[in-house]
Amino acid sequence: SQQGEEDPQALSIQEGENATMNCSYKTSINNLQWYRQNSGRGLVHLILIRSNEREKHSGRLRVTLDTSKKSSSLLITASRAADTASYFCATDSGGYQKVTFGIGTKLQVIP
Amino acid sequence: GAGVSQSPRYKVTKRGQDVTLRCDPISSHATLYWYQQALGQGPEFLTYFNYEAQPDKSGLPSDRFSAERPEGSISTLTIQRTEQRDSAMYRCASSDVAGGFGELFFGEGSRLTVL
Repeated sequence: SQQGEEDPQALSIQEGENATMNCSYKTSINNLQWYRQNSGRGLVHLILIRSNEREKHSGRLRVTLDTSKKSSSLLITASRAADTASYFCATDSGGYQKVTFGIGTKLQVIP
Repeated sequence: GAGVSQSPRYKVTKRGQDVTLRCDPISSHATLYWYQQALGQGPEFLTYFNYEAQPDKSGLPSDRFSAERPEGSISTLTIQRTEQRDSAMYRCASSDVAGGFGELFFGEGSRLTVL
């Protein structure tokens, strides 16, 4: 079973535009992470936000977390063709190390 | 090692055969995860280890699936009497945060095809 659910499932934008992806989850968490996967390759960690944080930045990435709504968003600013990938949110199960992933958002950035 | 290494990268087998997949995590990492990923889907949790202990194997689909990490480093995932529905990418990840919640480092995966 998958804890998180990303929205939208697919997103197509022009290079230079911003991309926003959302993640909703079901149970309480200690942290939430975002990962990127290029064309079936291994997943690569992007950013981790803890349950007591509301916003975090890393380069062109901005992540927000709203624990009251059990949701998170990932914003990629000034997108590039190289950002084309699938993006997944991952959560632990509040006190346990089981890390589960959502179904992913497939982002296409058109040059 | 420098990264998480999985072998074999590709495995084709006939229905009913047993298969063992191997994961060699980053050497200092205490925690090791196994996931199953179908095409176009997110990774589905199978099980994880803290060193040699296996606190959660709730994601293993059936008793045909088992995993071991006897010395707290290399892990194997064994699927007995394989079925066509077992065809998927199997991904291993490790983390250096034992008892905590940190970044997962993934291997390139083992693609299993059951004919």
